[in-house]
Formats: sequence, structure tokens, C-alpha cells
Amino acid sequence: QVQLVQSGPEVKKPGASVRVSCKASGFTFSDYYIHWVRQAPGQGLEWMGRINPNTGATHSQQKFEGWVTMTRDTSSSTAYMEVTSLNSDDTVMYFCARGGRVRTSGNFFEYWGQGTLVTVSS
Amino acid sequence: EIVLTQSPGTLSLSPGERATLSCRASQSLPNNYVAWYQQKTGQAPRLLIYGASTRATGISDRISGSGSGTDFALTVSRLEPEDFALYYCQYYGSSPTFGGGTTVEI
Repeated sequence: QVQLVQSGPEVKKPGASVRVSCKASGFTFSDYYIHWVRQAPGQGLEWMGRINPNTGATHSQQKFEGWVTMTRDTSSSTAYMEVTSLNSDDTVMYFCARGGRVRTSGNFFEYWGQGTLVTVSS
Repeated sequence: EIVLTQSPGTLSLSPGERATLSCRASQSLPNNYVAWYQQKTGQAPRLLIYGASTRATGISDRISGSGSGTDFALTVSRLEPEDFALYYCQYYGSSPTFGGGTTVEI
């Protein structure tokens, strides 16, 4: 069965960076986009960006460009998202989600990781 | 940029009642690329509907989606205890976006 398993919770100081992982199983990793979504406590869902695991090409919301980096390791079927220069506004839950097949349009998110809580505190 | 506005913010209903949630887009959405998700506290969202009206695998037929253009709706015909949750609509184009959510509470 399709599974996305994310890395555990993190506590970081302001100005630090964090890398969250998302290990995929139950499907061909290179065939589907992996998306990243964040959710602040008590707030709504916000799409951050996606990666094509086959090529490594990324597409992100403009506000995240320059401080969010998405990568992947096809040998371990794992996607990564790194956020730099963390501040207290970055105390959020990060989710990875599987989108549609690469090179197709219409990426709804049928499968989700369990979420990774990143807390930023001095 | 497409903006999705969900209403109402909170819907207070009793089990057995019908819930109708609205999602309005700032511009007409091509291909009816609208999905609905349910989220419970401390959990990841769960896909309910895609293509505006197609139920995802394993979703009860009490749940239905409708709409086109700029106006979309999610209906839960007879609320069960497990339906009381937070619901989001999503436009899943090349840059997906979510609505602000509707809470269905008892």
C-alpha cells in the first residue's frame, strides 16, 4: 500500500535551518510528484511547492523561493525539504503529499505523510 | 493568483442533518480541478472528492461534490459523528491553493 513516512518532530532556534524527509513506499517514486504543504497551529493549509522525483525539477510558490529547497534521493525513494533562516512564524506542521503522475496536470493529493512539527524557539 | 473563499467558517449541526459547504473561486477554474479534504485534529488531511464531483476511493456515498466555474459545494447528506471535522477545498492546478476551511461542529 502507498505510504509516505515523514521524519520526526524538530525543535530549532531562530536563524537555524531544518530538513524534513518524506520516505515513499508502495509505488514507483519517480512516477509521481511529491508536494509539500504547511499548516501553522490553528490555521489552514498552504501549498509550498512540488518536486518531480524523476528529474529533480521543482516548482514552488513564489513566497518560498530562496529559502525553501526541495530535493530527492531516488535510491531511497525519499523526498526532502529544507527551510533556512527559521523564525517563530515557521513553527508549523509540514506535510508531504503525493500528487499526480509527472508530466500530467491536475495534482490532487490522494496520499499524505503523517506530518512533521517544527518548533522554532529560542 | 486564484483565491478560494469557503463559507460558512463554522457550521453547527446535529447528527442526521445535512451539511452544505461552499467554495467560491476568484476566477473560473479550468477542468473543474477542485478537490475537497477532511481534516481531524492532529491528523493529515484526507481526500474526499476530486474533479469537483468524483468520490475518492473508500469515501461514503453520503458525501458528494458539485459545481463548476467559480462555485463549488460539498454536501454531506446525513451527518454521522465521524463527519464533524474541518473541511478544505483545493484548486489543484499548476500552483495549488486551498480555501480557508469550514468547521462542521456538533
